[in-house]
Amino acid sequence: KNQVEQSPQSLIILEGKNCTLQCNYTVSPFSNLRWYKQDTGRGPVSLTIMTFSENTKSNRRYTATLDADTKQSSLHITASQLSDSASYICVVSDRGSTLGRLYFGRGTQLTVWP
Amino acid sequence: EADIYQTPRYLVIGTGKKITLECSQTMGHDKMYWYQQDPGMELHLIHYSYGVNSTEKGDLSSESTVSRIRTEHFPLTLESARPSHTSQYLCASSTGTGAWEQYFGPGTRLTVT
Repeated sequence: KNQVEQSPQSLIILEGKNCTLQCNYTVSPFSNLRWYKQDTGRGPVSLTIMTFSENTKSNRRYTATLDADTKQSSLHITASQLSDSASYICVVSDRGSTLGRLYFGRGTQLTVWP
Repeated sequence: EADIYQTPRYLVIGTGKKITLECSQTMGHDKMYWYQQDPGMELHLIHYSYGVNSTEKGDLSSESTVSRIRTEHFPLTLESARPSHTSQYLCASSTGTGAWEQYFGPGTRLTVT
């Protein structure tokens, strides 16, 4: 069964600290993996998209890694800010259909305290 | 910021009422999607469209219906709202080519009393 599991479910950190969020997936055949940021009451916004051949991708203070062999990804946030408080969703796409089916994790709820 | 819009943003309505959630995008994307999301849960695909006059049901069974008469417009209709329909509804669109990006609207928070 194609699944995306994220950990931790929730995380509280102090402003300025770093943190790492984890994503494990069983989606096959794999096409790409994305990380989205979703603020409360808003739609998800894309942070990164990685294909099979990409190991690391950065977007400002966000760095995503992908290990396609172990089917694991992480999102590292550097020097956290209050505005980083949001849900971070890992999404994996398969290439077994024309639609490019997306499988969503439940997200990690990050809270940054001053 | 993606050019995809949803109205209304919030809706509280009584059981049995007919409602239509609007979704429009100005990016010329062929593919459009409707997702349902409950608090703390993953997004579930309920409808999608490859283009004008194309609509398909998603993975999660839904009593809603959709139409795609124009490329930019993908409304979702509930003929008779029930409390079980209370949820957040997210619309998205994509170009559908390569490692394509899905752009999400801000969502409609629906509460059926």
